[in-house]
Amino acid sequence: KNQVEQSPQSLIILEGKNCTLQCNYTVSPFSNLRWYKQDTGRGPVSLTIMTFSENTKSNGRYTATLDADTKQSSLHITASQLSDSASYICVVSASYGKLTFGQGTILTVHP
Amino acid sequence: DAGVIQSPRHEVTEMGQEVTLRCKPISGHNSLFWYRQTMMRGLELLIYFNNNVPIDDSGMPEDRFSAKMPNASFSTLKIQPSEPRDSAVYFCASSFAQASTDTQYFGPGTRLTVL
Repeated sequence: KNQVEQSPQSLIILEGKNCTLQCNYTVSPFSNLRWYKQDTGRGPVSLTIMTFSENTKSNGRYTATLDADTKQSSLHITASQLSDSASYICVVSASYGKLTFGQGTILTVHP
Repeated sequence: DAGVIQSPRHEVTEMGQEVTLRCKPISGHNSLFWYRQTMMRGLELLIYFNNNVPIDDSGMPEDRFSAKMPNASFSTLKIQPSEPRDSAVYFCASSFAQASTDTQYFGPGTRLTVL
């Protein structure tokens, strides 16, 4: 069964600190992995997308990694800001198009 | 561009009533997706269209749910009859093409409450 597990479920950090969110998946055959940021009351916004051959991709202060062998991905946020407070969702696509969503990690950045 | 437009933003209805959610995708996008999000189940893909044709509706929970896309600029998701367990935020998203690598742009969502 295709599954995407994210950890931690929630995280609280102080402004300026770094943090790392985890995503483990069992989706097969793998096509790509995407991280979304969802602000409260709004739709998700794509941060990064990685295919099988990519193991790192950055978008500003966000850096995603992918280890296709261990089926793990991480999203690292550098020098967090208050505006980073959101839910971060990991979504994995199978080669035949099926999307499997993680439950998300709720990040709260305190001043 | 105004982005993906959804209406209404909030809907409160009573069990048994028909509910229609509307979506206008970004102009020029060929794929449209309907999602449902709840605290318990997270984000779920219900159905998606490519060039106005339904491609995969395996996520539609049951026959009470139906979706149409009569033209490239409009889609509806209908629930008839509605039930309290349908309460959720329903998102519409669009992308330029069908490939899973294409970025999907989400609308603001419709928060549905069924009493």
